[in-house]
Amino acid sequence: EPEVTQTPSHQVTQMGQEVILRCVPISNHLYFYWYRQILGQKVEFLVSFYNNEISEKSEIFDDQFSVERPDGSNFTLKIRSTKLEDSAMYFCASSGPGSETQYFGPGTRLLVL
Amino acid sequence: AQSVSQHNHHVILSEAASLELGCNYSYGGTVNLFWYVQYPGQHLQLLLKYFSGDPLVKGIKGFEAEFIKSKFSFNLRKPSVQWSDTAEYFCAVNAQAAGNKLTFGGGTRVLVKP
Repeated sequence: EPEVTQTPSHQVTQMGQEVILRCVPISNHLYFYWYRQILGQKVEFLVSFYNNEISEKSEIFDDQFSVERPDGSNFTLKIRSTKLEDSAMYFCASSGPGSETQYFGPGTRLLVL
Repeated sequence: AQSVSQHNHHVILSEAASLELGCNYSYGGTVNLFWYVQYPGQHLQLLLKYFSGDPLVKGIKGFEAEFIKSKFSFNLRKPSVQWSDTAEYFCAVNAQAAGNKLTFGGGTRVLVKP
């Protein structure tokens, strides 16, 4: 069964550094998402992406964040200058054409020191 | 904006006991409703979903959920749990008029004692 994959599984970075989190959505899916979960808190929506542009973003998704689909398979989340409060588990998800069901990757645990 | 609340943060029960996890949402329009499960060390997996039709939906592993529109609820049930049901369970809502984003509840950690 096809799955969403994410790399790396864990990343430790220094405050102020740039990080790129990578996701490979399910191959025939057209909608892509990033969510995050700060330890002990709810899973929160960050951004959705369709047809090579952002379709929706939350208040969390400020100018420090960007997303890209650099090729036909990868979907990336970049944080330009990480802050301590960016430490969280970041989940990628994708959904297919005409489907509201989102399938999630295993997550990347980001720790900002 | 929609919000989702799950009544219990932690539930501990013995094998063969029945399980019911509460989920309420606040949104006045049409919604799609989901339950996801996260087993220890694994990623979020879809248990079941409701889009329309029969408000009692059946999912994988013997789980079911009932959508009660008047109560804005979508409670998850399983008549007889197994040790392997130990996991965290998340209710999520997508407001159809608000794009595709999911709004999650806080999750309920379920521990099934053998």
